[in-house]
Amino acid sequence: AQSVTQPDIHITVSEGASLELRCNYSYGATPYLFWYVQSPGQGLQLLLKYFSGDTLVQGIKGFEAEFKRSQSSFNLRKPSVHWSDAAEYFCAVGNNDMRFGAGTRLTVKP
Amino acid sequence: ETGVTQSPTHLIKTRGQQVTLRCSSQSGHNTVSWYQQALGQGPQFIFQYYREEENGRGNFPPRFSGLQFPNYSSELNVNALELDDSALYLCASSSLTGLFYEQYFGPGTRLTVT
Repeated sequence: AQSVTQPDIHITVSEGASLELRCNYSYGATPYLFWYVQSPGQGLQLLLKYFSGDTLVQGIKGFEAEFKRSQSSFNLRKPSVHWSDAAEYFCAVGNNDMRFGAGTRLTVKP
Repeated sequence: ETGVTQSPTHLIKTRGQQVTLRCSSQSGHNTVSWYQQALGQGPQFIFQYYREEENGRGNFPPRFSGLQFPNYSSELNVNALELDDSALYLCASSSLTGLFYEQYFGPGTRLTVT
């Protein structure tokens, strides 16, 4: 069965610092992988997706993620965090019936 | 281009009642999926509709049902509400592009069951 684990419930980083959010997945075949961001009171916005090809994918807002099949991971990164990046981040696997992780809440310190 | 809209924004129901939530798909999308997001959790897939037929279902009981209309808008109906049904209900519309569904989410309906 497909599943997603986000090991970090809450992460705090200083503005301008780099960021890495972890995601591990379990999936029987080549996975479709996604990162979404959710701000308070908002729906989910797609940051980036992977389903084949180059294992380093670029997304919106300066985010990127790297697919590592050997580690079953799809970690999200950003080289320099902005205060506006504070939100909840969800990793998801699947296609028409996506499975989401429990989310990582990002706090950005001034 | 109009995005995904959901109504109502919030509502409060009593245990045992029935509720209907509505979703209008993004223009050009023929598929709609519904998710339940409990507080502090990630969204959980309820079901998907494609061209007015159910096209996949998650681990939710039959009292969760849906409809999709010819204009691709959708309803989620929940009967015999339970306290645990309190959650944010998200609708996502999509179209199949190649092998991939890119889902666009609405802002959600916050349901509180007392």
